Amino acid sequence: EAQVTQNPRYLITVTGKKLTVTCSQNMNHEYMSWYRQDPGLGLRQIYYSMNVEVTDKGDVPEGYKVSRKEKRNFPLILESPSPNQTSLYFCASRGLAGGPNRGGEQYFGPGTRLTVT
Amino acid sequence: AQTVTQSQPEMSVQEAETVTLSCTYDTSESDYYLFWYKQPPSRQMILVIRQEAYKQQNATENRFSVNFQKAAKSFSLKISDSQLGDAAMYFCAYRRGYANDYKLSFGAGTTVTVRA
Repeated sequence: EAQVTQNPRYLITVTGKKLTVTCSQNMNHEYMSWYRQDPGLGLRQIYYSMNVEVTDKGDVPEGYKVSRKEKRNFPLILESPSPNQTSLYFCASRGLAGGPNRGGEQYFGPGTRLTVT
Repeated sequence: AQTVTQSQPEMSVQEAETVTLSCTYDTSESDYYLFWYKQPPSRQMILVIRQEAYKQQNATENRFSVNFQKAAKSFSLKISDSQLGDAAMYFCAYRRGYANDYKLSFGAGTTVTVRA
């Protein structure tokens, strides 16, 4: 089954304690992305990656890091989490656009609910 | 940066009735895509419908249809014959049409409640 998986699904942590949220896709997609969802703001892009070792900032990258060492994995790292990073996080992936896939959808993971106290 | 605006934080509809969710967007591009995503209580993001800007015809998917007004930069979603399973948050989203531009810009969302 084609899917994007995220772990953990729920995480409660304390300020300053480094954490990693994993994301993996089994569709051989080149493009992967992280979003955060906050009430009244919708989803906002944090970081994205066009392929292995190619990453770039989205709209709200402060306080986050990512890496793309393998095509299927795109972990999100919070080196020193703060309470303002309490949010719902989504990983998403897509294959390359072109031809009939030009308007194709992104596949979203199930979300990770993070609480930083 | 593209802006997507959903002006209705909440909408309520009687089962079997019709509800329309509004969405406006701001862009200087001529080639782009618009989407409606459904987020039920499970939090999963589910693509409901997509519209390509260069297509005049409004997209439809079963009970879901859109009214795409390109000049007005408006993209509303109509849910016909509403069902209890339609209760969810709905997000309007925009993406530029460039081949390697995959970023989705989302509106704030509209919560739809369906009354039995």
